[in-house]
Amino acid sequence: ILNVEQSPQSLHVQEGDSTNFTCSFPSSNFYALHWYRWETAKSPEALFVMTLNGDEKKKGRISATLNTKEGYSYLYIKGSQPEDSATYLCAQSHSGAGSYQLTFGKGTKLSVIP
Amino acid sequence: DAGVIQSPRHEVTEMGQEVTLRCKPISGHNSLFWYRQTMMRGLELLIYFNNNVPIDDSGMPEDRFSAKMPNASFSTLKIQPSEPRDSAVYFCASSPTALPIHGYTFGSGTRLTVV
Repeated sequence: ILNVEQSPQSLHVQEGDSTNFTCSFPSSNFYALHWYRWETAKSPEALFVMTLNGDEKKKGRISATLNTKEGYSYLYIKGSQPEDSATYLCAQSHSGAGSYQLTFGKGTKLSVIP
Repeated sequence: DAGVIQSPRHEVTEMGQEVTLRCKPISGHNSLFWYRQTMMRGLELLIYFNNNVPIDDSGMPEDRFSAKMPNASFSTLKIQPSEPRDSAVYFCASSPTALPIHGYTFGSGTRLTVV
C-alpha cells in the first residue's frame, strides 16, 4: 500500500446501530496514525493519535485500534446517533524525511438515519 | 484561544482574477500548513512553514500559486490568475511542533469557487 486508503467511501446506518470503518496505510517508516472527524462547513477535529502497535483509544462511543505491522486501523462507533454524521478522516505521519507531513485518506462519509 | 482563523469563508471569483486566502494560526504554534480539499484527491498538502520559513512547497500546483508567512501570526495563499480547476476548499492548519504527534488544528476552511 503506497497511499492512505479508507473504506467504505460512504456509509448509511440507522440510529442505534454500531458501525466501523477501515484505514489502511503503508507500514514502513510508520510514526503515527491520526483520526479526524469533519462535519460539513466546520474544521476537521482531531479524535485520536496512535503510535504503538496494538494501541486502542476511546472517546465516549467512539474507539479506534491500530495494527502497525499489517498497516491498518479501525474506527468503531457504538450506538450511532444522528450527530455522529460526518466524514471521518485518517492520516498517517511517518519517520524520516517529510516527517512533519500528514498524509490523509479521502475519508469515510457516515450518515446516521434517525 | 480562538483557534486557527481563516478568511474569507467563501470566495466566488471570475477566472483570471487574483484570489488571496488568509490564515491566522494558533499563538505559539510554529508549524503552519496549507491544504486543498477536492472530491477527487482528498486533502493535499500545498505548503508547509516552520518558524515562518517555507520548508516544503512541493505540493504547490504551479507558478500561479504562492504563499507567504511574513510573521508568526499571519499567512496568505495567493492564486494569480485563478482558474475554474482551482475551485476547492482550502484549509490552513497549525501545529505546536514540526512533528505532528499531537495532530494539527485546522481552520474552518475557505471554499473557493472560480467561475
